[in-house]
Amino acid sequence: NAGVTQTPKFQVLKTGQSMTLQCAQDMNHEYMSWYRQDPGMGLRLIHYSVGAGITDQGEVPNGYNVSRSTTEDFPLRLLSAAPSQTSVYFCASSRSGQARDGYTFGSGTRLTVV
Amino acid sequence: GQQVMQIPQYQHVQEGEDFTTYCNSSTTLSNIQWYKQRPGGHPVFLIQLVKSGEVKKQKRLTFQFGEAKKNSSLHITATQTTDVGTYFCAGPSGSARQLTFGSGTQLTVLP
Repeated sequence: NAGVTQTPKFQVLKTGQSMTLQCAQDMNHEYMSWYRQDPGMGLRLIHYSVGAGITDQGEVPNGYNVSRSTTEDFPLRLLSAAPSQTSVYFCASSRSGQARDGYTFGSGTRLTVV
Repeated sequence: GQQVMQIPQYQHVQEGEDFTTYCNSSTTLSNIQWYKQRPGGHPVFLIQLVKSGEVKKQKRLTFQFGEAKKNSSLHITATQTTDVGTYFCAGPSGSARQLTFGSGTQLTVLP
């Protein structure tokens, strides 16, 4: 099992560009989420999904879009990149839609916006 | 909204010394989870505590959940260099469909 796979691992964008961070899991997990990690601020939830076709906003959703057309995939779209979006992005999945199962994280995407 | 606070933010210990990190929530938690993130890596799930006053052990790691289910601690006995990393606690919020992470405690172990 690959677990949670994120691509790309590194990305540099210019301000105003758009891009999609990919996330795929092969564990048949219903729940998937995106976090960003900034120094000294822990992990902050951007968007999450409790199943195919269902998404919702987390703590810091502005500037990001998500969709969940399949159980396996949960891409994160940056609409118009800004320097404030420079961060490390983690995708995570868990078995159920309730926060009572441990999360499996991908290896992360390190994004720099210049 | 719910906040999860962790202290200390940083801890340097000599190899062989003990280490403890504390987690406090502004609300009662149905459960609390702990994760470890190695430098340059991703968070890895360690354990979940559910019951009031629960204590669980994993080798040299001891996890406790407070009686009021608003605080938790992770204690490492006789630290080793392999314990280096950032330890996060996390609790459910938003109708338990979201997991809120503490800011983490970064542990450095000096050989």
